[in-house]
Amino acid sequence: NAGVMQNPRHLVRRRGQEARLRCSPMKGHSHVYWYRQLPEEGLKFMVYLQKENIIDESGMPKERFSAEFPKEGPSILRIQQVVRGDSAAYFCASSPPWEGETQYFGPGTRLLVL
Amino acid sequence: GESVGLHLPTLSVQEGDNSIINCAYSNSASDYFIWYKQESGKGPQFIIDIRSNMDKRQGQRVTVLLNKTVKHLSLQIAATQPGDSAVYFCAEKRETSYDKVIFGPGTSLSVIP
Repeated sequence: NAGVMQNPRHLVRRRGQEARLRCSPMKGHSHVYWYRQLPEEGLKFMVYLQKENIIDESGMPKERFSAEFPKEGPSILRIQQVVRGDSAAYFCASSPPWEGETQYFGPGTRLLVL
Repeated sequence: GESVGLHLPTLSVQEGDNSIINCAYSNSASDYFIWYKQESGKGPQFIIDIRSNMDKRQGQRVTVLLNKTVKHLSLQIAATQPGDSAVYFCAEKRETSYDKVIFGPGTSLSVIP
């Protein structure tokens, strides 16, 4: 059973460009979470999605950031018009469709904005 | 506000010694606690968890202790090995909901050969 997969692992963008980060959850997992980690800091929750639904986006910046988890395909975290402050590691986690289970994390996408 | 924090940001231990990493939490509603290990360039890796109806849980070379009275959590690693060098995060959530995980800032563990 493959773990959570994320791609790309590294992404370089210039200011003003768009960044698209992909996450494929573990097989059988229907819950996806996105977290952001700045250097030397812990992970901060951004958004929680189920298939075709955003459940909790309380950690998402109000502008430029969006997330989706379509019926088919990976979850996408999209950052429009990136700025240098968006440089961080973005981690995706997934959990199975029953309550109380641990979230399992992917290897992350390291975004660098030049 | 809700927060999970660590007492010590860095910890150096001799190979073979036991390590203890401490954590304080402030959200009384949290009833599920997790320790994650993060190696450089990788995502957090689940180590061990504990529910609030327990005060101790053991895994392979690791033990988690929970003191709800003082809202304190600790991770004990027995016979620390070089491969244990990493950043360790305590995290909390409410078990009975699809809650987000709230992470502490992390403790960097360095094992001296």
